[in-house]
Amino acid sequence: KQEVTQIPAALSVPEGENLVLNCSFTDSAIYNLQWFRQDPGKGLTSLLLIQSSQREQTSGRLNASLDKSSGRSTLYIAASQPGDSATYLCAVRFYTGTASKLTFGTGTRLQVTL
Amino acid sequence: NAGVTQTPKFRILKIGQSMTLQCAQDMNHNYMYWYRQDPGMGLKLIYYSVGAGITDKGEVPNGYNVSRSTTEDFPLRLELAAPSQTSVYFCATGDRDNSPLHFGNGTRLTVT
Repeated sequence: KQEVTQIPAALSVPEGENLVLNCSFTDSAIYNLQWFRQDPGKGLTSLLLIQSSQREQTSGRLNASLDKSSGRSTLYIAASQPGDSATYLCAVRFYTGTASKLTFGTGTRLQVTL
Repeated sequence: NAGVTQTPKFRILKIGQSMTLQCAQDMNHNYMYWYRQDPGMGLKLIYYSVGAGITDKGEVPNGYNVSRSTTEDFPLRLELAAPSQTSVYFCATGDRDNSPLHFGNGTRLTVT
């Protein structure tokens, strides 16, 4: 079964700390992987998209890596700020024969404290 | 450029009532999706469409219907609402399978 797991479910860090969020998946036959941010009461905002042929993507203070062989992706946030507080979701697009299927993790709720 | 617009934002239904959740996009994306998000669960795909006139079932389609008569609109219809359909519903769009998804702000539905 193609599954996506995010651990921990919640994380609290002091402002300024660098941090890593984890995403693991059960099948290495993936098309791409996306990291999203969700603020309370809002929709998801796409942060980074990594194609299966890529190893990492960067946007500002964010860096996402992909290791298909181990079934893992990490989202690195540098110099965290209170405005980074949100839930971060990982979604993996798996191959399913002739099509593909996007499977979401349950997210890591991040709180950055002053 | 509004992106993906969902209406209404909130709705309370009684068991057995029906309603349509609206989703409109102005990005000219071919792919449109409906997801539901329940507490502690990942988003689950209800229905999707790869273009006007084409729709297909996702993981949890029972109790829902969709139509896609135009590129811009992808309404989700609930017939005979049940408490199990209490959830937050998100519409999303994408240009292709390998492009980022763009989400609306969701519709919070309660069925009592």
